[in-house]
Amino acid sequence: DAKTTQPPSMDCAEGRAANLPCNHSTISGNEYVYWYRQIHSQGPQYIIHGLKNNETNEMASLIITEDRKSSTLILPHATLRDTAVYYCIVRSSRSNDYKLSFGAGTTVTVRA
Amino acid sequence: GAVVSQHPSRVICKSGTSVKIECRSLDFQATTMFWYRQFPKQSLMLMATSNEGSKATYEQGVEKDKFLINHASLTLSTLTVTSAHPEDSSFYICSAIPTPPQVPYFGPGTRLTVT
Repeated sequence: DAKTTQPPSMDCAEGRAANLPCNHSTISGNEYVYWYRQIHSQGPQYIIHGLKNNETNEMASLIITEDRKSSTLILPHATLRDTAVYYCIVRSSRSNDYKLSFGAGTTVTVRA
Repeated sequence: GAVVSQHPSRVICKSGTSVKIECRSLDFQATTMFWYRQFPKQSLMLMATSNEGSKATYEQGVEKDKFLINHASLTLSTLTVTSAHPEDSSFYICSAIPTPPQVPYFGPGTRLTVT
């Protein structure tokens, strides 16, 4: 599975949109981009995933560039409860193996 | 959404004893579950894949005789840490894949402290 690169940390203002970048320049055509977050001392929480098209759900939006080498997770209105470590993970869609390889992620701090 | 539970949420045990951690899929069946470990200020590391009705597969460097995995039913996998030592103190997290949406969901984790 392709590796991902994320900034180690980000600060966001409460009520503003938070844009979290992820670089996955070696991604192949059959690999999905997944986003999870982990609030302190809890298990990771699924946020969203996508293959080529932009995706939106009740939690966030995922914007994938046309060449698929990078993506951005958008939290439209950040709240203090969105403070967490956010992980961008790439996984092959062909594989029935749902093992996920976690990197260091981005520690997002939402400030009042 | 799909729910994965773990029990206990935290456990303290003495060095040399064994501890069992349960992972349950509450509203779906899971033929495969995954066990991860997370040390303080580090990311999650996959330990093993638990397969219902067959042997677990372990990641390189994980001792299968120390971390016993049993996946006896389609909703339950257990991880037993045998002869625990202080260095086994960690946050243990399981995941399972409901269909739909075929996305890995994670349990809340179990904090193990070995004294």
